[in-house]
Amino acid sequence: GESVGLHLPTLSVQEGDNSIINCAYSNSASDYFIWYKQESGKGPQFIIDIRSNMDKRQGQRVTVLLNKTVKHLSLQIAATQPGDSAVYFCAVAGGGADGLTFGKGTHLIIQP
Amino acid sequence: EPEVTQTPSHQVTQMGQEVILRCVPISNHLYFYWYRQILGQKVEFLVSFYNNEISEKSEIFDDQFSVERPDGSNFTLKIRSTKLEDSAMYFCASNSGVWPQHFGDGTRLSIL
Repeated sequence: GESVGLHLPTLSVQEGDNSIINCAYSNSASDYFIWYKQESGKGPQFIIDIRSNMDKRQGQRVTVLLNKTVKHLSLQIAATQPGDSAVYFCAVAGGGADGLTFGKGTHLIIQP
Repeated sequence: EPEVTQTPSHQVTQMGQEVILRCVPISNHLYFYWYRQILGQKVEFLVSFYNNEISEKSEIFDDQFSVERPDGSNFTLKIRSTKLEDSAMYFCASNSGVWPQHFGDGTRLSIL
């Protein structure tokens, strides 16, 4: 089965700085990777995703990098804002599986 | 923007009682999912549902659990005889058949 880890429980950055949240996965058959943001009392909110045929994808202030060689995934958030404070989860799927396997989550704290 | 809605937001139930959690997926979506998140832990996949049948389930989804789409809009998760360890946030998700899965804000289930 799949396991998703490399968990940094908390990451604290200054407002305006860039942040990087990392994730590792174990199953080389995984072909879909996604980052969710979860605010207190809310469900996971989609941020950005990437498929295994790509190694980089950019959104608005966010970039996801995929390194399939070392099975590593990262989320970069540029110019962090107070509203970026949340728990960030990576999740993976593959091999025809319907369900996502989630990592433990990193709590991003934006310091003023 | 269309949302997945879940009711109730908080359900308190005595151990051994049956509980039904309700979800209204996004209207044109065809694939439905339940996940749970025990306090402080990762989000875990329970079950996926398509074309009025379960398409995939995890080890967690044992005989105590069932899912149903009783009409054209609702998707329910039933736990027949609740245990203390069923206490968790339960998230419903849906998609149209392509990624990503869109999550509701969850139902907090508390078993006493």
